[in-house]
Amino acid sequence: DVKVTQSSRYLVKRTGEKVFLECVQDMDHENMFWYRQDPGLGLRLIYFSYDVKMKEKGDIPEGYSVSREKKERFSLILESASTNQTSMYLCASSFPLRSFSNYGYTFGSGTRLTVV
Amino acid sequence: QKEVEQDPGPLSVPEGAIVSLNCTYSNSAFQYFMWYRQYSRKGPELLMYTYSSGNKEDGRFTAQVDKSSKYISLFIRDSQPSDSATYLCAMSETSGSRLTFGEGTQLTVNP
Repeated sequence: DVKVTQSSRYLVKRTGEKVFLECVQDMDHENMFWYRQDPGLGLRLIYFSYDVKMKEKGDIPEGYSVSREKKERFSLILESASTNQTSMYLCASSFPLRSFSNYGYTFGSGTRLTVV
Repeated sequence: QKEVEQDPGPLSVPEGAIVSLNCTYSNSAFQYFMWYRQYSRKGPELLMYTYSSGNKEDGRFTAQVDKSSKYISLFIRDSQPSDSATYLCAMSETSGSRLTFGEGTQLTVNP
């Protein structure tokens, strides 16, 4: 019954490595989002996408990029991992504006990334 | 100043208590208001949503929105140990668009 799947629950990477976080949803949602969650800061939006091959910067895009080649898959890329990117990363998806009966996001279980 | 303010707690109550969780916000364009529940080591799950001002009830949960005061609340009646989680408020300007979250309130219901 899993609807939003994140490829890894726990990940440990070295400083400077290129890191890929994968997210797949099976609900045919147009919208997909990447957040990071940190104590004291809550959830902060990194990037989002309203359609295939479309991406928009969120509030904290620096040091990250994204890829959306297929509707169901949204990848977050850390170009050169740094210790301040140690965090819980959450992927979410939702229907767009026209679907008034479908509010809110469906989240994945998260990837806890540690950069050493 | 954060766009959405939420007291992070922690909040500890005995089983059966009424719990009140609150958020304030500054963006008057917000129209959709949600509450998410997040258990430890899990992603958030949608608990309640409301559009514009008013109340919405679902079992032991009641969500209230007062747009004039830019204030939203979640009430939990007859709280249970299984309600122990972090509760996040969230809001958006349009349905399906990006959400802005509060920091989350950590709730523990003691048996």
